[in-house]
Amino acid sequence: NAGVTQTPKFRILKIGQSMTLQCTQDMNHNYMYWYRQDPGMGLKLIYYSVGAGITDKGEVPNGYNVSRSTTEDFPLRLELAAPSQTSVYFCASSGQGAQNEQFFGPGTRLTVL
Amino acid sequence: AQTVTQSQPEMSVQEAETVTLSCTYDTSENNYYLFWYKQPPSRQMILVIRQEAYKQQNATENRFSVNFQKAAKSFSLKISDSQLGDTAMYFCACSGAGSYQLTFGKGTKLSVIP
Repeated sequence: NAGVTQTPKFRILKIGQSMTLQCTQDMNHNYMYWYRQDPGMGLKLIYYSVGAGITDKGEVPNGYNVSRSTTEDFPLRLELAAPSQTSVYFCASSGQGAQNEQFFGPGTRLTVL
Repeated sequence: AQTVTQSQPEMSVQEAETVTLSCTYDTSENNYYLFWYKQPPSRQMILVIRQEAYKQQNATENRFSVNFQKAAKSFSLKISDSQLGDTAMYFCACSGAGSYQLTFGKGTKLSVIP
């Protein structure tokens, strides 16, 4: 199993550009999450999904959109990139229930200039 | 909603020694889960250990153990026989039993010195 994979690993965007961060998991997990990690900070939840077709906002959703058309994929869309979105983005997945371990992807380092 | 506080931004320990990382939390949930995640320089987040709040017994995983003090809302991580591979950022996290959201602390950077 590859676990959780993310593409790209690195990306530089200009202000106002848009992009999609891809996330795929092969563990048949219903729950998937997007986090951002700013320097010196812990991870903050952007969006999460409890199954195909079901998504909801986390702590810091502004400037982002998500969709979940399949169990495996959970892309994160950035519209009109801003310098404040410079961060490392992590996708994660887990089984149902708060007690379950979240499995993380390797992260995408995004810089907005 | 939860808050998680890690008061030690950086720590160091000699190889083979023992180190304890501190974490305090606050939650309005009656039942919740606590986690320690490790993030080595590779950036990959890895679960170290988890604790269910309704279990009084402290969780252990090989060289890693926790000291869970529910009344004090404290959840410290003890690493015994520290190894060079333990060098990493360590994040404490909390999730309510009915929640899908993990709340993370800011992390403690641990350096193991040969």
